[in-house]
Amino acid sequence: QSVLTQPPSASGTPGQRITISCSGGSSNIGVNFVYWYQQFPGTAPKLLIYRNNQRPSGVPDRFSGSKSGTSASLAIRGLRSEDEADYYCATWDDSLSGPVFGGGTKLAVL
Amino acid sequence: QVQLVQSGAEVKRPGASVKVSCEASGHTFTGYYMYWVRQAPGQGLEWMGRINPNSGGTDYAQKFQGRVIMTRDINTAYMELSRLRFDDTAVYFCARKGGGNREAWFDPWGQGTLVTVSS
Repeated sequence: QSVLTQPPSASGTPGQRITISCSGGSSNIGVNFVYWYQQFPGTAPKLLIYRNNQRPSGVPDRFSGSKSGTSASLAIRGLRSEDEADYYCATWDDSLSGPVFGGGTKLAVL
Repeated sequence: QVQLVQSGAEVKRPGASVKVSCEASGHTFTGYYMYWVRQAPGQGLEWMGRINPNSGGTDYAQKFQGRVIMTRDINTAYMELSRLRFDDTAVYFCARKGGGNREAWFDPWGQGTLVTVSS
């Protein structure tokens, strides 16, 4: 049972815009930055979005993040087949004194 | 560039211990906390603990306290998990911590080490 709640799956067609939600609480998302990680099968997670809405160099601007209250979202516009991956949200939890992750969302590009 | 290279896959019996290494290059090893995160098959990510490579100080997630020990030497971090159970079968990742104290900023990650617990 993950501390942060994500939908287990999402899907879209090429060119479409999709969003993935991440719900938390007052001790985590409500007071700390949200991060998003992208993971392809058999590989390590890769930082996709940091500090709610910032992209590391090399991440396309098709990816964007937002946060409001105790929830956050990852948006992907202009969906591409290579975006098929698992996406995880993460943040710090002040009550647990450690990072917490969502259960992950498997994105399918149909 | 900054790189974390982990040791190879392990197969262990229940009750045994496993020690995974994570060799860092391309950055000042003592300048960043190293975290350990695991991922059971088909599951999400789970934080295990962290080590301050400068002081050697550690903090462990409550779930693993008493069973995990994190250490380091010159440029390598280690995670040892003891009294292994079948549900410890997972890929274990090390990840360099960035940002401030209360941030879940991990970049880069090691390639992962599969630990299989099997009788």
